[in-house]
Amino acid sequence: QVQLQQWGAGLLKPSETLSLTCAVYGGSFSGYYWSWIRQPPGKGLEWIGEINHSGSTNYNPSLKSRVTMSVDTSKNQFSLKLSSVTAADTAVYYCARYTVTAPPFDYYYYYFMDVWGKGTTVTVSS
Amino acid sequence: SSELTQDPAVSVALGQTVRITCQGDSLRSYYASWYQQKPGQAPVLVIYGKNNRPSGIPDRFSGSSSGNTASLTITGAQAEDEADYYCDSRDSSGNHLHVVFGGGTKLTVL
Repeated sequence: QVQLQQWGAGLLKPSETLSLTCAVYGGSFSGYYWSWIRQPPGKGLEWIGEINHSGSTNYNPSLKSRVTMSVDTSKNQFSLKLSSVTAADTAVYYCARYTVTAPPFDYYYYYFMDVWGKGTTVTVSS
Repeated sequence: SSELTQDPAVSVALGQTVRITCQGDSLRSYYASWYQQKPGQAPVLVIYGKNNRPSGIPDRFSGSSSGNTASLTITGAQAEDEADYYCDSRDSSGNHLHVVFGGGTKLTVL
């Protein structure tokens, strides 16, 4: 069974760079997109971006200028960096596996996040 | 950028049926997925694609879609179904691929 284990600094000062890593255990690293999602306190989910095993990325347009994602295929890990953080970046950050499948007898692909990490609380405060 | 709209809160009597909806232009081109989130926990996928449940998700959960609206139906809601529910979908508006989430629906089981 695939599991995601994530870690990173939980307390940052404004203008610092958030850095999180997520390790994939028990399954294939290739053939999926690997996503980061965040959830500010008391609010909904926000997609940050995704990366595949070859390093191809898609980012949330609203965060694109500050986001960098990378992969280390030798360790089955992927990482998130978010620069110039402010209090608005305070949130629980989740990593997730994003699966894309082409079902038989259906015109449309299926896209879904089927495995999630437990989340890392990141607080930005001076 | 595209958005997905959900009702902020819905309630259902124990054992009754409830429908949670998600609206957005991206749903005309992509199926929604649905996630259940309980307090202090990571989201859990409950429905994906046309109407598919991951292993371990009870069959009282079902999904459907029409036009720009996707729906999650819980038939015979149980106390343990009380949670926040989020939809998401792929989106290709603005000539770049991304993912959008709905704002979430808080389900109360009475």
